[in-house]
Amino acid sequence: AQTVTQSQPEMSVQEAETVTLSCTYDTSESDYYLFWYKQPPSRQMILVIRQEAYKQQNATENRFSVNFQKAAKSFSLKISDSQLGDAAMYFCAYRSAQGSNYKLTFGKGTLLTVNP
Amino acid sequence: DAGVIQSPRHEVTEMGQEVTLRCKPISGHNSLFWYRQTMMRGLELLIYFNNNVPIDDSGMPEDRFSAKMPNASFSTLKIQPSEPRDSAVYFCASSHGEKPQHFGDGTRLSIL
Repeated sequence: AQTVTQSQPEMSVQEAETVTLSCTYDTSESDYYLFWYKQPPSRQMILVIRQEAYKQQNATENRFSVNFQKAAKSFSLKISDSQLGDAAMYFCAYRSAQGSNYKLTFGKGTLLTVNP
Repeated sequence: DAGVIQSPRHEVTEMGQEVTLRCKPISGHNSLFWYRQTMMRGLELLIYFNNNVPIDDSGMPEDRFSAKMPNASFSTLKIQPSEPRDSAVYFCASSHGEKPQHFGDGTRLSIL
């Protein structure tokens, strides 16, 4: 079974600074997807960014980018120019690309605080 | 476009009572997922439907939990009888094929 580990229960960053959230995963599969979801205090689960394992190029979405290291099974999220609205719980998630089971396996999350 | 709609948003009930959570997926999505979020265990998949058929129910805790998807636009998660340890936030999510899942706002369930 796949596992996802987020080793940082909490992180903090100053507004306008850059922060990196760590995520590692364990799988024997070669083809899969990785995601970062954001959960603000409102409780919504919001997709931040997605990476296909077969793509070597790191995904980017505006101020959000990932560092995907397939051999190391690492998938970190970098938030540049942090804003107060970035404060939330961030979850890393794994999904197999094999077969038709599209369930997500989540890490335990990292609580990000943004200081003004 | 309306997102995934869950009801109720909050539910407080006494142990032993039946609880029914409801979900309306995004129109056109053919996969539906029920997740449970707790402090101790994080986010866990309970059950997953594809084209209204349950594909993976390995996460359903026990026989007290049941889920149905009678049609493409509606699903229920039922707990009978409920217990205090069932208290959690329950999320419904939907997707189309391999595309990313979209989550509802969740139901916060408290069993007293």
